[in-house]
Amino acid sequence: GAGVSQSPRYKVAKRGQDVALRCDPISGHVSLFWYQQALGQGPEFLTYFQNEAQLDKSGLPSDRFFAERPEGSVSTLKIQRTQQEDSAVYLCASSLVGDRGRDTQYFGPGTRLTVL
Amino acid sequence: GENVEQHPSTLSVQEGDSAVIKCTYSDSASNYFPWYKQELGKGPQLIIDIRSNVGEKKDQRIAVTLNKTAKHFSLHITETQPEDSAVYFCAASSDTGFQKLVFGTGTRLLVSP
Repeated sequence: GAGVSQSPRYKVAKRGQDVALRCDPISGHVSLFWYQQALGQGPEFLTYFQNEAQLDKSGLPSDRFFAERPEGSVSTLKIQRTQQEDSAVYLCASSLVGDRGRDTQYFGPGTRLTVL
Repeated sequence: GENVEQHPSTLSVQEGDSAVIKCTYSDSASNYFPWYKQELGKGPQLIIDIRSNVGEKKDQRIAVTLNKTAKHFSLHITETQPEDSAVYFCAASSDTGFQKLVFGTGTRLLVSP
């Protein structure tokens, strides 16, 4: 079956522009996570959704970052007024349930954002 | 919060040799420890995981061991092949609430033919 997909795969933005990154999780997966991966580093947690509810956004770096999952399926991560330090790979992951620490998280290929 | 340390940062082996990557964690409440393999331009892919109620798990050439007392866990790859070359990440999470993964900094494994 289809895995987690993300679009676009690559995004170049000028400093100050707004960007929107899309994630299509595995069908039927309740939980959805966004991670940020800086060059040469491990992924770092940004935010978590259970269905349409955003239950944790403690990892979002600033109020310029906003995520939504209005119908409990597709999710969008939006970054307003992009800065150079926002350059990273943004990974989306989904899991079947995810609320008992026992579910495998399946990752998408990521969106590489470069802010010039 | 949880902190995961991973070493070595790079590891070069000859084809057929074994490779070992080690991680330590700080939060005693962590009880789920997955390992991910990430190839260039791709997202992390789960290769094996272990939960706190077992000390070792094997899957063909890959094994993971867990020492909860010492708070460390290790990935062992035997009979390495060139296609094992990638970046490997360990991670940890707890049963408390949702499953937020905290990742190590990664190990770049290079297997030379």
